[in-house]
Amino acid sequence: DVKVTQSSRYLVKRTGEKVFLECVQDMDHENMFWYRQDPGLGLRLIYFSYDVKMKEKGDIPEGYSVSREKKERFSLILESASTNQTSMYLCASSLGGLAGGQTYEQYFGPGTRLTVT
Amino acid sequence: DAKTTQPPSMDCAEGRAANLPCNHSTISGNEYVYWYRQIHSQGPQYIIHGLKNNETNEMASLIITEDRKSSTLILPHATLRDTAVYYCIVRVDLFGGATNKLIFGTGTLLAVQP
Repeated sequence: DVKVTQSSRYLVKRTGEKVFLECVQDMDHENMFWYRQDPGLGLRLIYFSYDVKMKEKGDIPEGYSVSREKKERFSLILESASTNQTSMYLCASSLGGLAGGQTYEQYFGPGTRLTVT
Repeated sequence: DAKTTQPPSMDCAEGRAANLPCNHSTISGNEYVYWYRQIHSQGPQYIIHGLKNNETNEMASLIITEDRKSSTLILPHATLRDTAVYYCIVRVDLFGGATNKLIFGTGTLLAVQP
């Protein structure tokens, strides 16, 4: 079974702190994604990566950065946490490439509920 | 902005078919429709996807209208464990298909009643 793990289920940080959210997948997937989920807004894509050291902005990248130094690990960084970044953060991974017939199913981790006070 | 619209909630009796509608009137010709569901306190889980033709797997069926402006997810015999938020999603291919992103809507909360 594909497994996507996230470093913490719950996290409480103070305003202005630098926050690292870690995500690890064990299926050698090329693509990795970070989303945030807020009530009434669904899942919104923050950043994604299609290869090691490659990163692309999603729909709401402001206030965030990412790092992908190894294929299995994708980190989300909040340089200076703010209260409006209180949210559920979900990591996902999927196969990439141009192979035909790919489902491109994204496998999600359990999420990290971050509270910034 | 989300490319899909769904009713916020629906009820279904246990053992009956659940039909979840989705509108995606602005979908492009090469964009796939995906369905995921999210059970409370878990990450979303893939159900099914399609482009033009109807699709069926062990979990559900997907009916896509001929003009591709809407689709319906069908759970043939709903159980209590199917209570979840169901997301209708458009997959947008990027960089010539080398990667892609999913654009989530706000989902439908399906409540299966005993």
